[in-house]
Amino acid sequence: KNQVEQSPQSLIILEGKNCTLQCNYTVSPFSNLRWYKQDTGRGPVSLTIMTFSENTKSNGRYTATLDADTKQSSLHITASQLSDSASYICVVSSNTGGFKTIFGAGTRLFVKA
Amino acid sequence: DGGITQSPKYLFRKEGQNVTLSCEQNLNHDAMYWYRQDPGQGLRLIYYSQIVNDFQKGDIAEGYSVSREKKESFPLTVTSAQKNPTAFYLCASSPLAGVEETQYFGPGTRLLVL
Repeated sequence: KNQVEQSPQSLIILEGKNCTLQCNYTVSPFSNLRWYKQDTGRGPVSLTIMTFSENTKSNGRYTATLDADTKQSSLHITASQLSDSASYICVVSSNTGGFKTIFGAGTRLFVKA
Repeated sequence: DGGITQSPKYLFRKEGQNVTLSCEQNLNHDAMYWYRQDPGQGLRLIYYSQIVNDFQKGDIAEGYSVSREKKESFPLTVTSAQKNPTAFYLCASSPLAGVEETQYFGPGTRLLVL
C-alpha cells in the first residue's frame, strides 16, 4: 500500500534553534518528493522538489534530503523564526501511468520566542 | 496562494442541502484539482481536471460533483449524498497535468454542517 508517514506529529522549538522533520514513504514506483509549508487556515506552499537522482535541495533556511534507497526524506530548518510556525507536509508522487500523489499528515511546528 | 481564489472562506450546510464551492485561477493553468483535508490526515484527492470539459474522479469522489466549463473555473458541489462533509477543502492548479508538475493551492474553504 502506498503510504507517507511523517514524524514527529508536532514539535516545539525555541526561536533561533534548528530542527529536522522526517518523512518515510512506501510509494512505488517513485517519481518525486515535495515538501510543502502550510500556515494555519491557508493552502500549502511548495518548498522543495526532489527527483530520484537528487539527494539534497535547499530553499533559503530550508534544506531537504532524500535517500531513495531507504525511502526516507528529511527537512532541516536552520535558525528558526516565529514565521516558521506551520505544518510541513511531505508529498510523494508515483509515475505509475495515472495521477498518484500521496500526502503525508504533516508535522506541526511551533516556534516559541 | 498565488492567482487562485476560493470562496467562500466559510460555508455552512444544512442537512439534505447541496452546496457549491468556488475555485478560480488566473494562472492560465490547464490542470485543476480538489482536495479534502481532515485533522490528522493527509490531503485526499476528490476530483481533478486535466483540461476544459474533462475531469476524473480521485480517491474520494462519492458525494461530490464538479464541472470544468471554463479554463479558469473548477467549482465543486458537495451533495446531500456526502454524509460527512465537514472538512477543509483546497483547490489547486498546475500548468499541465502530471505528477512532475508543482501544484499551486488556493486559501481553502472550511465547510461546516449545521
